[in-house]
Amino acid sequence: EAGVAQSPRYKIIEKRQSVAFWCNPISGHATLYWYQQILGQGPKLLIQFQNNGVVDDSQLPKDRFSAERLKGVDSTLKIQPAKLEDSAVYLCASILGYGLPSGANVLTFGAGSRLTVL
Amino acid sequence: GQNIDQPTEMTATEGAIVQINCTYQTSGFNGLFWYQQHAGEAPTFLSYNVLDGLEEKGRFSSFLSRSKGYSYLLLKELQMKDSASYLCAPRSGGYQKVTFGTGTKLQVIP
Repeated sequence: EAGVAQSPRYKIIEKRQSVAFWCNPISGHATLYWYQQILGQGPKLLIQFQNNGVVDDSQLPKDRFSAERLKGVDSTLKIQPAKLEDSAVYLCASILGYGLPSGANVLTFGAGSRLTVL
Repeated sequence: GQNIDQPTEMTATEGAIVQINCTYQTSGFNGLFWYQQHAGEAPTFLSYNVLDGLEEKGRFSSFLSRSKGYSYLLLKELQMKDSASYLCAPRSGGYQKVTFGTGTKLQVIP
């Protein structure tokens, strides 16, 4: 099966500009996650979708970050305006669903989108 | 809330055994992942524990004690390619929230 697709792989912008990242999860995966990973740290959960509904966005800086998953398939994460501290890799991941045997519930990551804010 | 603690860095010798510990405090806990992440790459799945005990998969084993909020990843017969960060990630809640620790950077030396 195809993996999690993300684009762009790299993006360089100046502070106060805007940027958008796209993610297409593995086909049939109901749950989609966006993580932010700053260099030297573990991934930090920004937002989690179950189909097209948000189930957790407690750590999303909502004054500048937004995300949507309109048809329950692919998703877009936007930052507007960007700050220097937003420089990070943005990782998208997906999982089949809940209430399933453990083997079906592995979180699979895309390659990530590396953002540099100057 | 969630609190995950693992050592920041470890160094081990090629061919040796290393144990990476992880303690966590997670409400609604229902399983724990270990992921490997090489520099500049995305995390890749290593193991998953939902019940207490040891899960073995080739050179890698993972242990879980739910009552103690404790897990470890055991890597045997270390190879140079095992130099990477190892991420402990408990899963919680009905919607499978997965929270990652800061990661343990393992350096394997000759």
